[in-house]
Amino acid sequence: QSALTQPASVSGSPGQSITISCTGTSSDVGGYNYVSWYQQHPGKAPKLMIYDVNKRPSGVSNRFSGSKSGNTASLTISGLQAEDEADYYCSSYTSSSTFRVFGGGTKLTVL
Amino acid sequence: EVQLVESGGGLVQPGGSLRLSCAASGFTFSSYEMNWVRQAPGKGLEWVSYISSSGSTIYYADSVKGRFTISRDNAKNSLYLQMNSLRAEDTAVYYCARDRVTTVDYWGQGTLVTVSS
Repeated sequence: QSALTQPASVSGSPGQSITISCTGTSSDVGGYNYVSWYQQHPGKAPKLMIYDVNKRPSGVSNRFSGSKSGNTASLTISGLQAEDEADYYCSSYTSSSTFRVFGGGTKLTVL
Repeated sequence: EVQLVESGGGLVQPGGSLRLSCAASGFTFSSYEMNWVRQAPGKGLEWVSYISSSGSTIYYADSVKGRFTISRDNAKNSLYLQMNSLRAEDTAVYYCARDRVTTVDYWGQGTLVTVSS
């Protein structure tokens, strides 16, 4: 069982917006503004899409945005495109011995 | 361009050992902390181990503590993971990933480790 909880799947039509949640505890998501989101296409390495809750690395589309409220972080993708179909993972720094924790992943389907 | 290239994966019997390597280029390797993260077939990501830039600070996931050893050679721009007493549940793609204090930003393509008799 993953330390952070994500929905197993979400879906949306091209052009729509979707939001993926990531729920942790006060020892990780709620305690630090160090939440990251990764996109992973089949057979590929994860790609950093959001870090420090809401910052985008250079080159990442501004259609991707992040936020946090309490122990729950969220990734929003607006203007869905076919190439956004992938698995998405959240991650957080944690004060526990685990050091870094990941969510179980969410499969995004673009209908 | 940041590049991380893992090697050393393969098929090993339960109880066996394997040493993974990660060759880094495109950045000043000695200035960055590094991680190993794994992904079992069809499963999610699991953080495995962390090493500071100098190698003086090391962390392990409870699932591998006492069996895996992370190390680095800054002169060779290389990261290593020595894996002993391997179990079936260690079967996964192992990724080398660069740490940036509050996040893990670049990942290699991974190397597959299969533990099976």
